[in-house]
Amino acid sequence: GQNIDQPTEMTATEGAIVQINCTYQTSGFNGLFWYQQHAGEAPTFLSYNVLDGLEEKGRFSSFLSRSKGYSYLLLKELQMKDSASYLCAVRGPFTTSGTYKYIFGTGTRLKVLA
Amino acid sequence: DSGVTQTPKHLITATGQRVTLRCSPRSGDLSVYWYQQSLDQGLQFLIQYYNGEERAKGNILERFSAQQFPDLHSELNLSSLELGDSALYFCASSVSGQLSGNTIYFGEGSWLTVV
Repeated sequence: GQNIDQPTEMTATEGAIVQINCTYQTSGFNGLFWYQQHAGEAPTFLSYNVLDGLEEKGRFSSFLSRSKGYSYLLLKELQMKDSASYLCAVRGPFTTSGTYKYIFGTGTRLKVLA
Repeated sequence: DSGVTQTPKHLITATGQRVTLRCSPRSGDLSVYWYQQSLDQGLQFLIQYYNGEERAKGNILERFSAQQFPDLHSELNLSSLELGDSALYFCASSVSGQLSGNTIYFGEGSWLTVV
């Protein structure tokens, strides 16, 4: 089966750096995704990792270690608008039905304080 | 704008009733996914369709059903509604195939309130 764990809540200060961790267990792996979701809105894609290492995109970076089943999302120079939930999602193995399944964690609610 | 369109955006209905939520995927996407998100909960995968066929099932209740039509739009039918069905229902779509793209794109969601 598949399981994803991430902290429920985190708090950080405007201008600071925060790291949101995600650990996963899966019988097959074809990529890890991070989404940002503001309350009541659609999740929006932030990053994608399929190979080990760090992917940097502006203020946001995402890291993956497949051997450890571990990823983190790093947010730098935090802004108030970064207050949102951050969802870690794993894409499982390509199935015989010709599709992937995407499994989401419950999300980490980040509060950015002035 | 993700390119995924969902209607209605908001819906209030009584217990025991039946509603249909509609989703149009991004142009060219053959896969459609339905997710349920209750208050302060994560995204719960319900069901996936690919080119008109059901391909994967998650925690979908028997009172719920879905289908994908030849024009690739999808509908999620919720019947015998209960208070606990109140949630935000998201549709998402993706490029198909083993070498598919690197993400799925979400619609704005349909807010369902059962009273």
